[in-house]
Amino acid sequence: ETGVTQTPRHLVMGMTNKKSLKCEQHLGHNAMYWYKQSAKKPLELMFVYSLEERVENNSVPSRFSPECPNSSHLFLHLHTLQPEDSALYLCASSSTKTGNTIYFGEGSWLTVV
Amino acid sequence: QKEVEQNSGPLSVPEGAIASLNCTYSDRGSQSFFWYRQYSGKSPELIMFIYSNGDKEDGRFTAQLNKASQYVSLLIRDSQPSDSATYLCAVNPAGGTSYGKLTFGQGTILTVHP
Repeated sequence: ETGVTQTPRHLVMGMTNKKSLKCEQHLGHNAMYWYKQSAKKPLELMFVYSLEERVENNSVPSRFSPECPNSSHLFLHLHTLQPEDSALYLCASSSTKTGNTIYFGEGSWLTVV
Repeated sequence: QKEVEQNSGPLSVPEGAIASLNCTYSDRGSQSFFWYRQYSGKSPELIMFIYSNGDKEDGRFTAQLNKASQYVSLLIRDSQPSDSATYLCAVNPAGGTSYGKLTFGQGTILTVHP
């Protein structure tokens, strides 16, 4: 059983919908991440929260909106997405106490129609 | 642009052979290096990390790091069909951040055939 859980595992949404991806880590880590994995492309870092503060936003379009209410939970709010946003969205966490090794959740498969 | 380069493969080896996966990186100040395994339809799973030049062994896996050549590799001994997956090289760049910030390669597809 993974220490990082993501819901939903699969999501199909229309371009006018609003949905959210949820992530919870049970590892006591102090940093959380959203990565995007598209076909034929390397994993792309989207957002980093360290100690509940957003510290990285890698030029991600505003139709993706992260939220980190506490050190164990991370959300990715989605609205007016495009078909090219269809991808695997991976949540991850790490701890400064353990060398910042990143551990991934199972991912949320998103299809935008 | 800080990059991590891997041969996308596919790399095909027979069962029982040694599989050798290679990775080069462009940021000379990079501090830590990771290998992840990703089965089709699944999320990446950490196999090993290495910080210092030389070899690091863990069971059938050996990571090798050469910072002068900006090169990191993963050897899998006695390869098994269950090792068939995509192997992702990831590098934590220089910068002294208090969190991990990995740059990933595109991944090498490994196929181990019986």
